[in-house]
Amino acid sequence: AQSVTQLDSQVPVFEEAPVELRCNYSSSVSVYLFWYVQYPNQGLQLLLKYLSGSTLVESINGFEAEFNKSQTSFHLRKPSVHISDTAEYFCAVSAPGTGGGNKLTFGTGTQLKVEL
Amino acid sequence: EPEVTQTPSHQVTQMGQEVILRCVPISNHLYFYWYRQILGQKVEFLVSFYNNEISEKSEIFDDQFSVERPDGSNFTLKIRSTKLEDSAMYFCASKGGQGSWGEQFFGPGTRLTVL
Repeated sequence: AQSVTQLDSQVPVFEEAPVELRCNYSSSVSVYLFWYVQYPNQGLQLLLKYLSGSTLVESINGFEAEFNKSQTSFHLRKPSVHISDTAEYFCAVSAPGTGGGNKLTFGTGTQLKVEL
Repeated sequence: EPEVTQTPSHQVTQMGQEVILRCVPISNHLYFYWYRQILGQKVEFLVSFYNNEISEKSEIFDDQFSVERPDGSNFTLKIRSTKLEDSAMYFCASKGGQGSWGEQFFGPGTRLTVL
C-alpha cells in the first residue's frame, strides 16, 4: 500500500516570491508520482508527473518537482509565483503494473494562496 | 479540448434514499474511476472500472455502492441507501488506452449532501 503526506495545509506567499510545497510518500514498491492542481469549482488537473528517467520534471507554467528516492519526496517548487497560481495542490502516487487500473493515492492537499 | 463532465454539480438527499451520480468520460477512454473527498479530508479512491467490470475497489466501496456504464457513454455511481457519512465531493475520472502511465482526467465533481 502507498501513502502520501503533505505537511502544509496552507501556504501563503507574496506574488513573485518563490514557493515550495512539500510531499513525502511511503511505498514498498516503485511508484509513479503526480502533482494535481484544483482551481475553485473545477476538477483536478494534472500539473506534472514523474514516471522514470530524469528526476527533475517541469510543467508548462513554471512549476517543477524533483523526485528524491532516498528521501521519498517529490516537492513542488516555483521560483516566482503569480496570483493565478492560487489553488489547491495535491500530491499523488500510483503503483505501476497493477493491472492497468492504477488507482491514485492522494495527500491531503496544500492550499497555496498568493497575495499581492 | 475533451473533458470529463459530471451531473449534477450538487445533490441534496435524505438519509436512506438512493442517489445516482452521473459522469460522461472522455469518449475514447477505456478506464473509469470514482473518487470522493469528504470535507477537509484527502481525496480517496473508491473504484476503477475497465472492460465493463470493476478492476479494483477500496474498502469504502461496500455493497451500498455500485457502478455501471449503461450506454457506452455514461458512467454512473449509485449509492443505494445513503448515510450521513456519504456526504462528500465525488469525482469521476477517466484514462485512455493500455499502459500503466496514462493520465487520469478528472471531472469537476458532484457535491453530495445527505441530510
